[in-house]
Amino acid sequence: EAQVTQNPRYLITVTGKKLTVTCSQNMNHEYMSWYRQDPGLGLRQIYYSMNVEVTDKGDVPEGYKVSRKEKRNFPLILESPSPNQTSLYFCASSSQMGQPTPPYFGPGTRLLVL
Amino acid sequence: SQKIEQNSEALNIQEGKTATLTCNYTNYSPAYLQWYRQDPGRGPVFLLLIRENEKEKRKERLKVTFDTTLKQSLFHITASQPADSATYLCALPTGTASKLTFGTGTRLQVTL
Repeated sequence: EAQVTQNPRYLITVTGKKLTVTCSQNMNHEYMSWYRQDPGLGLRQIYYSMNVEVTDKGDVPEGYKVSRKEKRNFPLILESPSPNQTSLYFCASSSQMGQPTPPYFGPGTRLLVL
Repeated sequence: SQKIEQNSEALNIQEGKTATLTCNYTNYSPAYLQWYRQDPGRGPVFLLLIRENEKEKRKERLKVTFDTTLKQSLFHITASQPADSATYLCALPTGTASKLTFGTGTRLQVTL
């Protein structure tokens, strides 16, 4: 079954404690991205990756890091989380072949930073 | 900058009626536009894509129109059902590398 998985699904942490949200896809997609979703602001792209070792900033990259060492995985790293990073996070992947191809979204990770 | 507007107020309609949702955009000429459904706490799910040279696209009870002059897309659900209750998002390509920008979505509530 084609899918994007994220872990953890729910996370409560404290300010400054480094955390990583994992994302994995089984569709051999080249393009992966991270979004955050906040009430009234919609989905905003944090970072994206066009392929292995190729990443770039989206619209709201401050306070986040990513890496793409393998094609299937695209972890999101919060080195020093702050309360304004409390949000619902989605990972997405899509193929670059035969564009436009809509992204598959993961189930989401709800993060609360105290 | 690119701006995508969807009605932030929830749309409440009766079962069996046609729901019409609007997506307006400015400062861009997208080659296509997409519509997604999102249920609470879950990721968006792709529904339909319409290209700039297409006026209308249909899929079962769904219909999308795309007016590049008005910079507007309309999303219709005919014979609506309570199971259609969800938030519907429109999205446009707004840069390189398959970048999509999403509207804030409109929540649809279908009642019996």
